[in-house]
Amino acid sequence: EPEVTQTPSHQVTQMGQEVILRCVPISNHLYFYWYRQILGQKVEFLVSFYNNEISEKSEIFDDQFSVERPDGSNFTLKIRSTKLEDSAMYFCASSEGPVSTDTQYFGPGTRLTVL
Amino acid sequence: GQSLEQPSEVTAVEGAIVQINCTYQTSGFYGLSWYQQHDGGAPTFLSYNALDGLEETGRFSSFLSRSDSYGYLLLQELQMKDSASYFCAVGTGGFKTIFGAGTRLFVKA
Repeated sequence: EPEVTQTPSHQVTQMGQEVILRCVPISNHLYFYWYRQILGQKVEFLVSFYNNEISEKSEIFDDQFSVERPDGSNFTLKIRSTKLEDSAMYFCASSEGPVSTDTQYFGPGTRLTVL
Repeated sequence: GQSLEQPSEVTAVEGAIVQINCTYQTSGFYGLSWYQQHDGGAPTFLSYNALDGLEETGRFSSFLSRSDSYGYLLLQELQMKDSASYFCAVGTGGFKTIFGAGTRLFVKA
């Protein structure tokens, strides 16, 4: 069964450093998403991406964040200058159609620890 | 603002039936989804309601009343492996999903 994959599974970085989180969505999916989940809290929407551009973003997704689909398979989230409060689990998800009509499939997540 | 309210935790015994409620207040509504998340794991899709009524998928059922901005997830024949967090989530448009805070379900033997 096809699945969303994410690398790395755990990333440790120093405050102020840049990190890139990588995702490979399911191959025939067209809609891609990033979410984050601070330990013990709810899943929070960050951004959605379709047709090589951001479709929607939350207030969390400020200028420190960017997303890119550098090739036909990868989808990345970059945090330019990490802060302590960026420590969280980051989930990538993808769907065949928009979330209004279709199911999202989540990857296993990348645990980001900012020291 | 946008909010989804669900109980923080529920406890039930193996073999029982449990209902997890969700009320929502969002600027847009395109459907109510339910996700299961085990500790350390990713959310996995369980059920989706776009229209009023009951959707059944095996031991899990989900209900939606759009006029009441309310839905619930019903889990039957509870098993120990059902111990997890359950999130309701609203698609507020074509590209955004808002999640509730989650309900932690404890299944006891």
